[in-house]
Amino acid sequence: GENVGLHLPTLSVQEGDNSIINCAYSNSASDYFIWYKQESGKGPQFIIDIRSNMDKRQGQRVTVLLNKTVKHLSLQIAATQPGDSAVYFCAENIPTSGTSYGKLTFGQGTILTVHP
Amino acid sequence: NAGVMQNPRHLVRRRGQEARLRCSPVKGHSHVYWYRQLPEEGLKFMVYLQKENIIDESGMPKERFSAEFPKEGPSILRIQQVVRGDSAAYFCASSPRDSGGYTFGSGTRLTVV
Repeated sequence: GENVGLHLPTLSVQEGDNSIINCAYSNSASDYFIWYKQESGKGPQFIIDIRSNMDKRQGQRVTVLLNKTVKHLSLQIAATQPGDSAVYFCAENIPTSGTSYGKLTFGQGTILTVHP
Repeated sequence: NAGVMQNPRHLVRRRGQEARLRCSPVKGHSHVYWYRQLPEEGLKFMVYLQKENIIDESGMPKERFSAEFPKEGPSILRIQQVVRGDSAAYFCASSPRDSGGYTFGSGTRLTVV
């Protein structure tokens, strides 16, 4: 569904702490999910993705968890660094006929601030 | 290996003028997507194109907006007779065939005055 937010959720952490950013997605038919990081004045940067047939995927310092029962996605960042400060978006892909990937629906985003 | 290139980075137009936004996908990518982002909001899908074909334009306003991805050259998002509400960041992304996690460009920030 549509996520229109006038005030984005925020998360403030200390450098070295672990961060958890949550996202509720809208469509039970979604088969693919992506987390993006967006720094000020830049385009979204791919962080990690997960398909609906998985419930966990790990990357370098990041882990994505998928709970299809409650349509919930989370991004865990280990040992958060000041360079991780950005807006984080989850996005879901809803399959459309004839295409594998195309139209992504983005969540409203979470502002992560990491204090040295 | 250049990523997705968008130009211009910033574009100022007066109400009623036309805006043309360009996107050169990653070399070898044949799928292009355009998204719009308003301040403090997530990206909203506009259109999905493959070479010379519009695959899904369900997010495009019915009037004044058009997009193309010709056989040669960049993809173009065209906004005719711009209004203040068109002010936003417009992002292009590209992907290779049958792949997710596509690559975004840095966007064009359109300001209508």
